[in-house]
Amino acid sequence: DADVTQTPRNRITKTGKRIMLECSQTKGHDRMYWYRQDPGLGLRLIYYSFDVKDINKGEISDGYSVSRQAQAKFSLSLESAIPNQTALYFCATRGSRRFYEQYFGPGTRLTVT
Amino acid sequence: LAKTTQPISMDSYEGQEVNITCSHNNIATNDYITWYQQFPSQGPRFIIQGYKTKVTNEVASLFIPADRKSSTLSLPRVSLSDTAVYYCLVALYSSASKIIFGSGTRLSIRP
Repeated sequence: DADVTQTPRNRITKTGKRIMLECSQTKGHDRMYWYRQDPGLGLRLIYYSFDVKDINKGEISDGYSVSRQAQAKFSLSLESAIPNQTALYFCATRGSRRFYEQYFGPGTRLTVT
Repeated sequence: LAKTTQPISMDSYEGQEVNITCSHNNIATNDYITWYQQFPSQGPRFIIQGYKTKVTNEVASLFIPADRKSSTLSLPRVSLSDTAVYYCLVALYSSASKIIFGSGTRLSIRP
């Protein structure tokens, strides 16, 4: 089984809809991240969390919100989706021992029409 | 966070050694250097990390000069499956930090 899972893997939604992307991990890591990747570009950090009570904004948090329901779960919400939020979204985790290494999920391809 | 600069793209052939250099002029004393590999539609995968001198693992080598203002990822005898985007990252020597990805280097390997 994969260490970091994301659901859904693909999603098409309409402008104005609220949508939630979910991330779960079995690595026991306390640090979790949400990134966005646009075609041909690198990853941009949306939000990150160091533990259940700690949430931090990344480079591009506007239009997004997150929830850390448990150590193993970190959800990303688009309150009112817009077409320029069409992208590939990745969740990642990081532990304190091998702190230089992030583990990424398989990604969620989101299309907003 | 120190800014990194790396080539946008590189081409090579199977069996060749590929070296990708990353510039990080503003690297701080507590920063470490990490490289990731990303295949299309997949999440990045950690390759190697180092602080200074040379590090080697089963996948690659990382060369870091004494001033640490640059680093070179070396992939020995590449194959078609090494075609990917490679990211150089510089981050604080601490787990209590965010990690910022740049645009990476798109490596294309030809037969």
